Amino acid sequence: DGGITQSPKYLFRKEGQNVTLSCEQNLNHDAMYWYRQDPGQGLRLIYYSQIVNDFQKGDIAEGYSVSREKKESFPLTVTSAQKNPTAFYLCASSIGQTGETQYFGPGTRLLVL
Amino acid sequence: SQQGEEDPQALSIQEGENATMNCSYKTSINNLQWYRQNSGRGLVHLILIRSNEREKHSGRLRVTLDTSKKSSSLLITASRAADTASYFCATDANAGKSTFGDGTTLTVKP
Repeated sequence: DGGITQSPKYLFRKEGQNVTLSCEQNLNHDAMYWYRQDPGQGLRLIYYSQIVNDFQKGDIAEGYSVSREKKESFPLTVTSAQKNPTAFYLCASSIGQTGETQYFGPGTRLLVL
Repeated sequence: SQQGEEDPQALSIQEGENATMNCSYKTSINNLQWYRQNSGRGLVHLILIRSNEREKHSGRLRVTLDTSKKSSSLLITASRAADTASYFCATDANAGKSTFGDGTTLTVKP
């Protein structure tokens, strides 16, 4: 099956800890994205990547980091600098242009202990 | 502020009725998309309408785009309980990146 997967479904973070959210796609898409969604709100762009080994900051990149070493993978690290990390994190991919149709993973809910 | 803003924030209707939700945006776009999100899940793409198109249909969905008013509407006809979800519009005006509104939460009562 082609698709985009995220793991884990739930993630708990202790204060001062970095955590990494996984995102993998087998759609052969060039572009990948990370969004943050807070309750009752829309999606805010954290980082995006249009090609391997290249990525750009979105609207709320502070406290987050990413890498794009492989076309299929775009992991997101939530660092200890992110003071309010509790949210629902969504990964997406698209064929090429960033404004085109995006395909979303099921999301990871991050909670702070 | 968000590029795309949906209206109303929440909508509750009976099964079989039509549901209409609107999206307004501020700057010129190349395309506008509608997505659906069931509670606690990822978004699912519904329709993409380009700036040179005025109307598109997909099954029970009808999307219109009025670039002079910078607005779009999503109509769901003959709604079903399974249509209960949040609906988001996304525009590509932010340097080509998709910008999402806060969504309309639709509840269809059986």
